[in-house]
Amino acid sequence: SQKIEQNSEALNIQEGKTATLTCNYTNYSPAYLQWYRQDPGRGPVFLLLIRENEKEKRKERLKVTFDTTLKQSLFHITASQPADSATYLCALDPYSSASKIIFGSGTRLSIRP
Amino acid sequence: GAGVSQSPSNKVTEKGKDVELRCDPISGHTALYWYRQSLGQGLEFLIYFQGNSAPDKSGLPSDRFSAERTGGSVSTLTIQRTQQEDSAVYLCASSSSKVGDGYTFGSGTRLTVV
Repeated sequence: SQKIEQNSEALNIQEGKTATLTCNYTNYSPAYLQWYRQDPGRGPVFLLLIRENEKEKRKERLKVTFDTTLKQSLFHITASQPADSATYLCALDPYSSASKIIFGSGTRLSIRP
Repeated sequence: GAGVSQSPSNKVTEKGKDVELRCDPISGHTALYWYRQSLGQGLEFLIYFQGNSAPDKSGLPSDRFSAERTGGSVSTLTIQRTQQEDSAVYLCASSSSKVGDGYTFGSGTRLTVV
Protein backbone atom coordinates (compact mmCIF):
# COMPACT_ATOMS: atom_id res chain seq x y z
CA SER A 1 0.00 0.00 0.00
CA GLN A 2 1.03 3.61 -0.46
CA LYS A 3 2.99 5.00 2.45
CA ILE A 4 4.42 8.42 3.29
CA GLU A 5 6.88 8.71 6.17
CA GLN A 6 8.00 11.83 7.96
CA ASN A 7 10.06 12.01 11.14
CA SER A 8 7.54 11.41 13.89
CA GLU A 9 9.83 12.83 16.54
CA ALA A 10 10.01 16.58 16.98
CA LEU A 11 13.06 18.34 15.59
CA ASN A 12 14.72 20.92 17.85
CA ILE A 13 17.09 23.37 16.19
CA GLN A 14 19.09 26.33 17.46
CA GLU A 15 18.08 29.65 15.93
CA GLY A 16 20.20 30.55 12.94
CA LYS A 17 20.95 26.95 11.97
CA THR A 18 19.52 25.09 8.98
CA ALA A 19 16.60 22.80 9.70
CA THR A 20 16.25 19.74 7.44
CA LEU A 21 13.07 17.68 7.33
CA THR A 22 12.70 14.39 5.48
CA CYS A 23 9.80 12.90 3.56
CA ASN A 24 10.04 9.33 2.24
CA TYR A 25 7.40 7.46 0.27
CA THR A 26 6.81 3.97 -1.06
CA ASN A 27 4.51 2.38 -3.65
CA TYR A 28 3.77 5.77 -5.16
CA SER A 29 4.79 7.73 -8.24
CA PRO A 30 3.80 11.33 -7.62
CA ALA A 31 3.98 13.87 -10.39
CA TYR A 32 4.29 16.62 -7.79
CA LEU A 33 5.28 16.94 -4.17
CA GLN A 34 4.04 19.73 -1.93
CA TRP A 35 5.08 21.05 1.47
CA TYR A 36 2.73 22.71 3.94
CA ARG A 37 3.11 24.42 7.29
CA GLN A 38 0.54 23.88 10.04
CA ASP A 39 0.28 25.90 13.25
CA PRO A 40 -1.77 24.67 16.26
CA GLY A 41 -5.49 25.13 15.75
CA ARG A 42 -5.09 26.18 12.12
CA GLY A 43 -5.38 24.55 8.74
CA PRO A 44 -2.22 23.77 6.74
CA VAL A 45 -0.72 26.57 4.66
CA PHE A 46 0.82 25.81 1.27
CA LEU A 47 4.54 26.60 0.99
CA LEU A 48 6.09 25.02 -2.08
CA LEU A 49 5.42 22.59 -4.91
CA ILE A 50 8.12 20.70 -6.80
CA ARG A 51 7.58 18.71 -9.98
CA GLU A 52 8.98 15.23 -10.59
CA ASN A 53 11.38 16.56 -13.22
CA GLU A 54 12.76 19.24 -10.88
CA LYS A 55 15.62 18.41 -8.57
CA GLU A 56 15.45 21.51 -6.41
CA LYS A 57 13.14 24.44 -5.71
CA ARG A 58 13.83 27.56 -3.65
CA LYS A 59 11.67 30.23 -2.10
CA GLU A 60 13.31 32.80 0.16
CA ARG A 61 14.84 30.78 3.06
CA LEU A 62 13.17 27.55 1.96
CA LYS A 63 14.67 24.87 -0.26
CA VAL A 64 13.07 21.62 -1.35
CA THR A 65 14.72 18.72 -3.15
CA PHE A 66 12.93 15.82 -4.84
CA ASP A 67 14.71 12.55 -5.64
CA THR A 68 12.32 10.20 -7.46
CA THR A 69 14.95 7.43 -7.48
CA LEU A 70 15.35 7.49 -3.70
CA LYS A 71 11.64 8.34 -3.33
CA GLN A 72 12.57 11.13 -0.98
CA SER A 73 12.14 14.86 -0.52
CA LEU A 74 14.18 17.07 1.77
CA PHE A 75 12.86 20.37 3.09
CA HIS A 76 15.40 22.90 4.33
CA ILE A 77 14.89 26.13 6.25
CA THR A 78 18.06 28.20 6.34
CA ALA A 79 18.81 30.84 8.98
CA SER A 80 15.98 29.40 11.07
CA GLN A 81 13.96 31.64 13.38
CA PRO A 82 11.67 30.89 16.35
CA ALA A 83 8.74 31.99 14.14
CA ASP A 84 9.50 28.97 11.92
CA SER A 85 8.37 26.67 14.73
CA ALA A 86 5.39 24.66 13.43
CA THR A 87 4.47 21.25 12.03
CA TYR A 88 5.54 20.69 8.43
CA LEU A 89 3.59 18.32 6.21
CA CYS A 90 4.68 16.79 2.96
CA ALA A 91 2.01 15.82 0.46
CA LEU A 92 2.15 13.70 -2.67
CA ASP A 93 0.12 14.61 -5.72
CA PRO A 94 -0.29 12.04 -8.49
CA TYR A 95 -1.27 14.43 -11.28
CA SER A 96 -1.73 18.08 -10.47
CA SER A 97 -2.85 20.46 -7.78
CA ALA A 98 -6.42 19.89 -9.01
CA SER A 99 -6.61 16.29 -7.82
CA LYS A 100 -6.58 14.82 -4.34
CA ILE A 101 -3.25 14.70 -2.59
CA ILE A 102 -2.07 12.37 0.16
CA PHE A 103 -0.48 13.89 3.28
CA GLY A 104 2.22 12.61 5.57
CA SER A 105 1.66 12.87 9.32
CA GLY A 106 4.06 15.80 9.64
CA THR A 107 7.19 16.69 11.60
CA ARG A 108 7.04 19.17 14.45
CA LEU A 109 9.88 21.68 14.28
CA SER A 110 10.94 23.82 17.24
CA ILE A 111 13.48 26.62 16.86
CA ARG A 112 14.95 27.71 20.16
CA PRO A 113 16.36 31.25 20.58
CA GLY B 1 -14.07 35.59 -0.08
CA ALA B 2 -10.47 36.10 0.86
CA GLY B 3 -10.05 32.59 2.20
CA VAL B 4 -11.82 29.31 2.85
CA SER B 5 -14.45 29.69 5.54
CA GLN B 6 -15.69 26.82 7.69
CA SER B 7 -18.51 26.75 10.20
CA PRO B 8 -19.01 26.07 12.96
CA SER B 9 -15.47 26.32 14.32
CA ASN B 10 -16.40 24.01 17.18
CA LYS B 11 -19.23 21.50 17.54
CA VAL B 12 -20.04 19.29 20.49
CA THR B 13 -22.73 16.72 19.84
CA GLU B 14 -24.19 13.73 21.56
CA LYS B 15 -23.52 10.26 20.25
CA GLY B 16 -26.19 9.24 17.76
CA LYS B 17 -27.05 12.78 16.60
CA ASP B 18 -26.54 14.05 13.06
CA VAL B 19 -24.20 16.97 12.33
CA GLU B 20 -23.66 19.23 9.34
CA LEU B 21 -20.37 20.98 8.67
CA ARG B 22 -20.18 23.81 6.18
CA CYS B 23 -17.40 24.96 3.87
CA ASP B 24 -17.36 28.14 1.79
CA PRO B 25 -14.43 27.91 -0.67
CA ILE B 26 -12.52 30.66 -2.41
CA SER B 27 -14.59 32.14 -5.19
CA GLY B 28 -13.59 30.71 -8.56
CA HIS B 29 -11.84 27.63 -7.18
CA THR B 30 -13.16 24.63 -9.07
CA ALA B 31 -11.92 21.92 -6.70
CA LEU B 32 -13.04 21.35 -3.11
CA TYR B 33 -11.75 18.76 -0.67
CA TRP B 34 -12.66 17.45 2.76
CA TYR B 35 -10.03 15.95 5.07
CA ARG B 36 -10.13 15.05 8.72
CA GLN B 37 -7.34 15.18 11.25
CA SER B 38 -7.33 13.31 14.53
CA LEU B 39 -5.21 14.55 17.42
CA GLY B 40 -1.53 14.34 16.52
CA GLN B 41 -2.26 12.58 13.25
CA GLY B 42 -1.93 13.44 9.59
CA LEU B 43 -4.73 14.44 7.27
CA GLU B 44 -7.09 11.70 6.13
CA PHE B 45 -8.75 12.28 2.75
CA LEU B 46 -12.54 12.06 2.77
CA ILE B 47 -14.05 13.40 -0.46
CA TYR B 48 -13.14 15.58 -3.45
CA PHE B 49 -15.31 17.66 -5.80
CA GLN B 50 -14.03 18.90 -9.16
CA GLY B 51 -16.31 21.15 -11.17
CA ASN B 52 -19.40 19.30 -12.40
CA SER B 53 -17.75 15.87 -12.30
CA ALA B 54 -18.96 13.11 -10.02
CA PRO B 55 -17.24 13.49 -6.63
CA ASP B 56 -14.46 11.15 -5.54
CA LYS B 57 -15.96 9.59 -2.41
CA SER B 58 -13.27 6.96 -1.96
CA GLY B 59 -12.15 8.29 1.42
CA LEU B 60 -15.48 8.34 3.21
CA PRO B 61 -15.11 5.91 6.15
CA SER B 62 -18.72 4.69 6.22
CA ASP B 63 -22.15 5.29 4.74
CA ARG B 64 -22.91 7.56 7.70
CA PHE B 65 -20.77 10.17 5.94
CA SER B 66 -22.00 12.13 2.94
CA ALA B 67 -21.23 15.45 1.31
CA GLU B 68 -22.67 17.68 -1.32
CA ARG B 69 -21.57 20.78 -3.13
CA THR B 70 -24.31 23.10 -4.32
CA GLY B 71 -23.87 25.30 -7.38
CA GLY B 72 -20.18 24.51 -7.56
CA SER B 73 -19.55 26.56 -4.44
CA VAL B 74 -20.58 25.87 -0.83
CA SER B 75 -20.19 22.32 0.45
CA THR B 76 -21.80 20.54 3.37
CA LEU B 77 -20.38 17.43 5.03
CA THR B 78 -23.02 15.46 6.92
CA ILE B 79 -22.32 12.82 9.51
CA GLN B 80 -25.32 10.76 10.58
CA ARG B 81 -25.64 8.90 13.88
CA THR B 82 -22.33 10.25 15.13
CA GLN B 83 -19.96 7.97 17.02
CA GLN B 84 -17.17 8.89 19.41
CA GLU B 85 -14.56 7.84 16.85
CA ASP B 86 -15.87 10.59 14.58
CA SER B 87 -14.33 13.16 16.94
CA ALA B 88 -11.66 15.03 14.96
CA VAL B 89 -10.94 18.28 13.18
CA TYR B 90 -12.65 18.38 9.80
CA LEU B 91 -10.72 20.47 7.29
CA CYS B 92 -11.97 21.82 4.00
CA ALA B 93 -9.70 23.05 1.21
CA SER B 94 -10.15 24.47 -2.25
CA SER B 95 -7.85 24.89 -5.22
CA SER B 96 -7.78 26.35 -8.68
CA SER B 97 -6.84 24.31 -11.73
CA LYS B 98 -3.49 26.07 -11.93
CA VAL B 99 -0.61 23.79 -11.08
CA GLY B 100 1.66 25.28 -8.47
CA ASP B 101 -0.97 27.03 -6.38
CA GLY B 102 -1.48 24.25 -3.86
CA TYR B 103 -4.52 23.95 -1.66
CA THR B 104 -5.99 26.69 0.52
CA PHE B 105 -7.36 25.29 3.76
CA GLY B 106 -9.92 26.63 6.16
CA SER B 107 -9.29 26.62 9.90
CA GLY B 108 -11.43 23.53 10.35
CA THR B 109 -14.36 22.42 12.47
CA ARG B 110 -13.44 20.68 15.70
CA LEU B 111 -16.07 17.99 16.25
CA THR B 112 -16.42 16.37 19.65
CA VAL B 113 -18.87 13.51 20.09
CA VAL B 114 -19.77 12.86 23.74
